[in-house]
Amino acid sequence: SQWGEENLQALSIQEGEDVTMNCSYKTYTTVVQWYRQKSGKGPAQLILIRSNEREKRSGRLRATLDTSSQSSSLSITGTLATDTAVYFCAIYQGGRALIFGTGTTVSVSP
Amino acid sequence: GGIITQTPKFLIGQEGQKLTLKCQQNFNHDTMYWYRQDSGKGLRLIYYSITENDLQKGDLSEGYDASREKKSSFSLTVTSAQKNEMAVFLCASSPNQDTQYFGPGTRLLVL
Repeated sequence: SQWGEENLQALSIQEGEDVTMNCSYKTYTTVVQWYRQKSGKGPAQLILIRSNEREKRSGRLRATLDTSSQSSSLSITGTLATDTAVYFCAIYQGGRALIFGTGTTVSVSP
Repeated sequence: GGIITQTPKFLIGQEGQKLTLKCQQNFNHDTMYWYRQDSGKGLRLIYYSITENDLQKGDLSEGYDASREKKSSFSLTVTSAQKNEMAVFLCASSPNQDTQYFGPGTRLLVL
């Protein structure tokens, strides 16, 4: 799982496999955002999930949110080599400050 | 669509030097952000600004100054570069709390 100051997690998989990454947070929130950062680029938002959704899908992406355990997950089905990136979860911590998790590095081999 | 431009792309400085990074956005977003990203760590918030001339400190503001003189631009100054410092500085803007748009980053190396 990601959050806090721990080192980035890293996952290595083969193209076509599914992958799930987790995020746990301490500050109560009803919205979690997931971002993807490819090498040499800035992060880009993938999906936003609200507490009233519990699960949200977008193409090959599936996000879940469990406010009782203060955790969220992002799954990618049928991964492609182009899914290789660092994936971050992010929540708002008061005001307009979006706080990012430490990230999960996903490497997909062709 | 809009774009966020960060200059310079690469910045090499000397220890003790004052260094300025610039960010421009043409989304017409009110809020802009500066983050620092170190190898092996996530993004850490340095400063953000909710409107022109507004500045709000993030968790990592010590050692930095920021300036938001107009809506479209947000500058960050490293007040005294630390020897062997190496990081990527990311600028972002947002129209609301539902998303942020990021620039490509400025890569800093201090010799």
